[in-house]
Amino acid sequence: SYELTQPPSVSVSPGQTASITCSGDKLGDKYVCWYQQKPGQSPVLVIYQDTKRPSGIPERFSGSNSGNTATLTISGTQAMDEADYYCQAWDSSTEVFGGGTKLTVL
Amino acid sequence: QLQLQESGPGLVKPSETLSLTCTVSGDSISSNSYYWGWIRQPPGKGLQWIGSISSSGSTYYNPSLKSRVTILVDTSKNQFSLKLSSVTAADTAVYYCARTSSTIVGATTAHWFDPWGQGTLVTVSS
Repeated sequence: SYELTQPPSVSVSPGQTASITCSGDKLGDKYVCWYQQKPGQSPVLVIYQDTKRPSGIPERFSGSNSGNTATLTISGTQAMDEADYYCQAWDSSTEVFGGGTKLTVL
Repeated sequence: QLQLQESGPGLVKPSETLSLTCTVSGDSISSNSYYWGWIRQPPGKGLQWIGSISSSGSTYYNPSLKSRVTILVDTSKNQFSLKLSSVTAADTAVYYCARTSSTIVGATTAHWFDPWGQGTLVTVSS
């Protein structure tokens, strides 16, 4: 079965750029989306189809996908961005989630 | 504004069947060509997709759960449901329902879940 691998944690200082990676075999040949989940809340879609932002998602969220790695980038990270982030892709009629990355803003 | 709401028992005994319903409001479950999915999250852990269904009843399931999962749709009630049989403590989780959107570009398919319901905690315990 297909697997997506994310680092368990990433730290960033306020105002700096945070990069969260998601790795999988030939992931660049698939489309990736990203979710933000804050404690006690449901996941929220922040990036879909590799690079697209849903309405209402701040421009500081961006995505890329090439080779074996997709990346969620948060520019000018704010304290409110502290959350868990999950990548997801579709492979062989299966929805696959990454294990999640805890983003700490300190 | 599309909203989804999960409902069902919060406590299920081991070996019994977990049953949940997702009620969709703000749009018809039959409109467009969306799929409707179930995802779960054990306490303190990550997300696991369970399965999805179209408004016409076409389904696809997580292979690791397929033998125990049934997802049905009731368009007259604008609902879809989840049944998970022979549950154990490992099935304790927050269960979410969500709309699945998709697009195909060339030979590549993109899927994403949006929006999600608020989630409901189901505990498996005697």
